[in-house]
Amino acid sequence: YELIQPPSVSVYPGQTVSITCSGDKLGDDYACWYQQKPGQSPVLVIYQDRKRPSGIPERFSASHSRNTATLTIIGTQAMDEADYYCQASSVFGGGTKLTVL
Amino acid sequence: QVQLVESGGGVVQPGRSLRLSCAASGFRFSSYVMHWVRQAPGKGLQWVAGISNDGNNKYYADSAKGRITISRDNSRNTLYLQMNSLRTEDTAVYYCANAYHDFWSIYYWGQGSLVTVSS
Repeated sequence: YELIQPPSVSVYPGQTVSITCSGDKLGDDYACWYQQKPGQSPVLVIYQDRKRPSGIPERFSASHSRNTATLTIIGTQAMDEADYYCQASSVFGGGTKLTVL
Repeated sequence: QVQLVESGGGVVQPGRSLRLSCAASGFRFSSYVMHWVRQAPGKGLQWVAGISNDGNNKYYADSAKGRITISRDNSRNTLYLQMNSLRTEDTAVYYCANAYHDFWSIYYWGQGSLVTVSS
């Protein structure tokens, strides 16, 4: 099983950016999303397709349809620059580097 | 607050064994599923193994089956990862992690323990 993410995306501050994740595993399982900044442990930002853990800003949202999950950040801030990983059960995506220009 | 503190990493020769430990505090350890996730230098996340709250059910990535054993001691609030026949491709930071909302959504992460397999 594989989950495919774009290697990189970029966005201007204040704009909206979406990161996609696709794979057969998503047809059977919930999607989770993690944010990882350099030198830090990952942080769960979305679980069960679209739920935000306590403390995660509302600008983070997500959706899941069939074999594709999407993480969206509305009003992106400089602090959101990080690597983002999707996950469906035991499989992680390859990660997407988000650059805030 | 929740703390997961890994220990036991280091440099080990190919073919040798190593045991990682993870000391948990700040939550009811015996109630939660636990996982090990690793990250090779400059690479992405890779799930390694998971264990049910009571330790009776264990799950492994295909790459780990037969060489790696996950276990826990709920009386000591400690998670373990026994790694045998280590290979250079096992070189990674190994994270101890807690699944909070369901079996797979990993909420709390340790700071990671670096394992380097090199001759």
